[in-house]
Amino acid sequence: DTEVTQTPKHLVMGMTNKKSLKCEQHMGHRAMYWYKQKAKKPPELMFVYSYEKLSINESVPSRFSPECPNSSLLNLHLHALQPEDSALYLCASSQGTGRYEQYFGPGTRLTVT
Amino acid sequence: EDQVTQSPEALRLQEGESSSLNCSYTVSGLRGLFWYRQDPGKGPEFLFTLYSAGEEKEKERLKATLTKKESFLHITAPKPEDSATYLCAVRLTQGGSEKLVFGKGTKLTVNP
Repeated sequence: DTEVTQTPKHLVMGMTNKKSLKCEQHMGHRAMYWYKQKAKKPPELMFVYSYEKLSINESVPSRFSPECPNSSLLNLHLHALQPEDSALYLCASSQGTGRYEQYFGPGTRLTVT
Repeated sequence: EDQVTQSPEALRLQEGESSSLNCSYTVSGLRGLFWYRQDPGKGPEFLFTLYSAGEEKEKERLKATLTKKESFLHITAPKPEDSATYLCAVRLTQGGSEKLVFGKGTKLTVNP
């Protein structure tokens, strides 16, 4: 089973709202990732967690706040977003950050109004 | 600067018409090249990993190959259900951790 689940599937939020995206995997993977994908563009890495510790932050604005409560869960807390933050947010996981393929979830379609 | 370039940007084929997609890369010390398939509004689906020049992998109608400067995804006798965007990614090392950098993808349309 190579399933990564993400909730919600769709999210519409105002610029003053606070919301969270959730990602879950039960494959025993120890690395988890957040990507942002704009329309007709490739996924862009935002954060990498390795063994529940943040190992890469790709200079993402502080209005995006990641959290890894345990090895199976990854959250992305959103606050004071801008309309240009509207995108498909993808979560991925892999056995580790070494020579392992990443498996992606279906994504959360976020619209900021 | 490390770079991943995919060509063509879009490809339209007739069912049964074989072709190849290209992914060229300029990275110092390749640590893995990945092919993914992405359907509209969905997450990328893992297809293949290639590590060394000369390596080949196959899955159904797809075959991926790797040289020192590029990778090809060969599609043999495609069917309409093969229509998707195919993404190539290379693994880079940054700050002790490794990350994937994606090309812009090739949008494949297979007409019946």
